[in-house]
Amino acid sequence: GQQLNQSPQSMFIQEGEDVSMNCTSSSIFNTWLWYKQEPGEGPVLLIALYKAGELTSNGRLTAQFGITRKDSFLNISASIPSDVGIYFCAGHRNSGNTPLVFGKGTRLSVIA
Amino acid sequence: DAGITQSPRHKVTETGTPVTLRCHQTENHRYMYWYRQDPGHGLRLIHYSYGVKDTDKGEVSDGYSVSRSKTEDFLLTLESATSSQTSVYFCAIRLTDTDTQYFGPGTRLTVL
Repeated sequence: GQQLNQSPQSMFIQEGEDVSMNCTSSSIFNTWLWYKQEPGEGPVLLIALYKAGELTSNGRLTAQFGITRKDSFLNISASIPSDVGIYFCAGHRNSGNTPLVFGKGTRLSVIA
Repeated sequence: DAGITQSPRHKVTETGTPVTLRCHQTENHRYMYWYRQDPGHGLRLIHYSYGVKDTDKGEVSDGYSVSRSKTEDFLLTLESATSSQTSVYFCAIRLTDTDTQYFGPGTRLTVL
């Protein structure tokens, strides 16, 4: 099945640094979602984007719905140790019953 | 957590035995999903439901069946478990008026 191209696959950063990750597709999406997953838990929704060009923040996290509707970006500012986890993007192409499409995730490690 | 629970949370079983995983939600959501998560593959959709007795296949449905006889419960059955079905299984619900999905805590299944 189709998956989103999410990059980078993994990141090692120093505490306090900013982080950027992105998701791209060859298809247009109507919705972009960003999730975080910690070990032993289910993915937790961070940000939902519904309009091309939309920029939405959730604390130190900011996500953008790309103008072309084929990509989305997630930025984390001033990273802290509890930011460690796997970040997933997901997109929805159509309304109705069409399932979400997921990226394979970006594994973030923060070095104190 | 959108009122989602999964049971059991952990299960070890033997090849060839039937296994049923349960997803229960308390908020009357119409859409429910079963995913499996494996290293290197991310989240893959097994089956989903868009109402009582209304289900459809996802990208990795072989070897799995589902049932939804009432709104709050979505059951995933492995008729004859195989070692390749060792995985972490997540249930999710989707809010009716958006594309936003929320995940349950997961079930770790080991097939020996």
